[in-house]
Amino acid sequence: AQTVTQSQPEMSVQEAETVTLSCTYDTSESDYYLFWYKQPPSRQMILVIRQEAYKQQNATENRFSVNFQKAAKSFSLKISDSQLGDAAMYFCAVSGRFGAGTRLTVKP
Amino acid sequence: NAGVMQNPRHLVRRRGQEARLRCSPMKGHSHVYWYRQLPEEGLKFMVYLQKENIIDESGMPKERFSAEFPKEGPSILRIQQVVRGDSAAYFCASSPSSASGNTIYFGEGSWLTVV
Repeated sequence: AQTVTQSQPEMSVQEAETVTLSCTYDTSESDYYLFWYKQPPSRQMILVIRQEAYKQQNATENRFSVNFQKAAKSFSLKISDSQLGDAAMYFCAVSGRFGAGTRLTVKP
Repeated sequence: NAGVMQNPRHLVRRRGQEARLRCSPMKGHSHVYWYRQLPEEGLKFMVYLQKENIIDESGMPKERFSAEFPKEGPSILRIQQVVRGDSAAYFCASSPSSASGNTIYFGEGSWLTVV
């Protein structure tokens, strides 16, 4: 069975600052991918970044990067130089299962 | 290349009626997932289907809910005898193969309102 836990229901960051969103998971699969999705007020689900579990190198996508700790089953998302448009719900996902989400507020 | 298409985008049903939500996956995708999102909550996995097969329905309520993905045509999530608690956004997603190794792409959701 797969479970995904996001322990931060809400986070806040000042514009241009850095914020880290946490995610832990459990899976019985040996080969899997991990994802972060963003859901803005429009409710559209947008892929932010993905990580292949067999790769040791952390994925990076512009201002977004992950800290993947496979042994600890941890997969956090770091947003650098936060922008107002980053305000959204963020969901961590593993093998089609999603966490409860973290609502990110960006303060001007 | 069209994305995941869901229709209707908005559906209003009276209590006791049936709701049918349709999902056409992205071209080349043979795997479909359905999720439910209640207001101010996260995405709850409902069911995972391949063409003509239900792979995992562990998130489906035992009664009134069913899903199919026929050989031809869209995937359908069917809710019989709807109740107010069924009011939610229902998201469909698709992937080329299993979600373990592939990105899943989402449709824009279908909003069901039960009055």
